[in-house]
Amino acid sequence: AQSVSQHNHHVILSEAASLELGCNYSYGGTVNLFWYVQYPGQHLQLLLKYFSGDPLVKGIKGFEAEFIKSKFSFNLRKPSVQWSDTAEYFCAVNAMFSGGYNKLIFGAGTRLAVHP
Amino acid sequence: DGGITQSPKYLFRKEGQNVTLSCEQNLNHDAMYWYRQDPGQGLRLIYYSQIVNDFQKGDIAEGYSVSREKKESFPLTVTSAQKNPTAFYLCASRAGGHSEQFFGPGTRLTVL
Repeated sequence: AQSVSQHNHHVILSEAASLELGCNYSYGGTVNLFWYVQYPGQHLQLLLKYFSGDPLVKGIKGFEAEFIKSKFSFNLRKPSVQWSDTAEYFCAVNAMFSGGYNKLIFGAGTRLAVHP
Repeated sequence: DGGITQSPKYLFRKEGQNVTLSCEQNLNHDAMYWYRQDPGQGLRLIYYSQIVNDFQKGDIAEGYSVSREKKESFPLTVTSAQKNPTAFYLCASRAGGHSEQFFGPGTRLTVL
């Protein structure tokens, strides 16, 4: 069955530390990959996405992610976090099914807390 | 101002009552989705609809029902058959093709 695994459920960092959040997926077909972020009290919003082309994608607020097909991974990175990056981060894979249906499969999420 | 609206933001119901959560979008998106978010479990798909008058069960459809009579609207009914209905419910829509899903602000349902 298709699944998405996020390795860390809780991450605590100090400001200016580097961030890497792991994401691995299990799906044999062509994938579209996403990272969403949910800031406290706000909508879930898109951080970045990968559909094809350059496997290193850049998103908003200085985030980037690298798609490594051989490792089925799409890790999220930021060289220097800020207090305002405190949020919950979700990795997701878009899976295609017969009949042309597609759906997003989410990981369990990683709660990031950044201390000043 | 385009977007997805969900109402109400907070909803309280007694056990055994059905309740309907509203989701409206003015983005002209064909596809709409309902998710349930529980702590530590991410988002789990309840139902989705690719076009009007068509919808498919997601991973946790039991105890829920939907309708898609209009492109803009995709209401979710949480029935008394849903064993653990207290949760945060998120609605999303997508334009189609290579595009991401856009999410509404969510409805927090508490069943007493």
